[in-house]
Amino acid sequence: EAGVTQFPSHSVIEKGQTVTLRCDPISGHDNLYWYRRVMGKEIKFLLHFVKESKQDESGMPNNRFLAERTGGTYSTLKVQPAELEDSGVYFCASSQAPGSEETQYFGPGTRLLVL
Amino acid sequence: QKEVEQDPGPLSVPEGAIVSLNCTYSNSAFQYFMWYRQYSRKGPELLMYTYSSGNKEDGRFTAQVDKSSKYISLFIRDSQPSDSATYLCAIGGTYKYIFGTGTRLKVLA
Repeated sequence: EAGVTQFPSHSVIEKGQTVTLRCDPISGHDNLYWYRRVMGKEIKFLLHFVKESKQDESGMPNNRFLAERTGGTYSTLKVQPAELEDSGVYFCASSQAPGSEETQYFGPGTRLLVL
Repeated sequence: QKEVEQDPGPLSVPEGAIVSLNCTYSNSAFQYFMWYRQYSRKGPELLMYTYSSGNKEDGRFTAQVDKSSKYISLFIRDSQPSDSATYLCAIGGTYKYIFGTGTRLKVLA
């Protein structure tokens, strides 16, 4: 069974540009999560989808970040326009059961560097 | 104060040693406790998952939870060089996980 996949693995962009990250969850997992780790800090929650619906986006830093999950399958996270402080590793995770009843499986992450 | 505190290390031990990794948390509403292992340039990989106080064992790994003290531990027996990685504790209450900063472990051959 394929795990959570993320694309691209790395992205280097200039301040002010737009970047779109993609996450493909494990097949059949209705719950999809985005997390971010900035340099030297812990991994922090960004938002949670159940199918195509956003359940909680309280961790999104600001309105420059837009997450979508059309059709309830893969998800995209767009940063527009990117700022220097957006640099970090963006992780996607998925789980079958809601909440923490079942563990979340993480993807390899997308390493974003904003210059 | 962070919701989850974890000593960042680094921690260096000789091969075969018993390793003890620890986290404390502040919110007693957390019900689920996880340990993830992360190799360099990879995503977190689940090692242990538990929701009750006490011990849970899986091979060389033992997770220990003390809810009264808000303290969780991961023990690695007979540590191997391949165990060298960053170990992340995570706490779950509803649906989102709250992570510690991770402890870097190096097992020396």
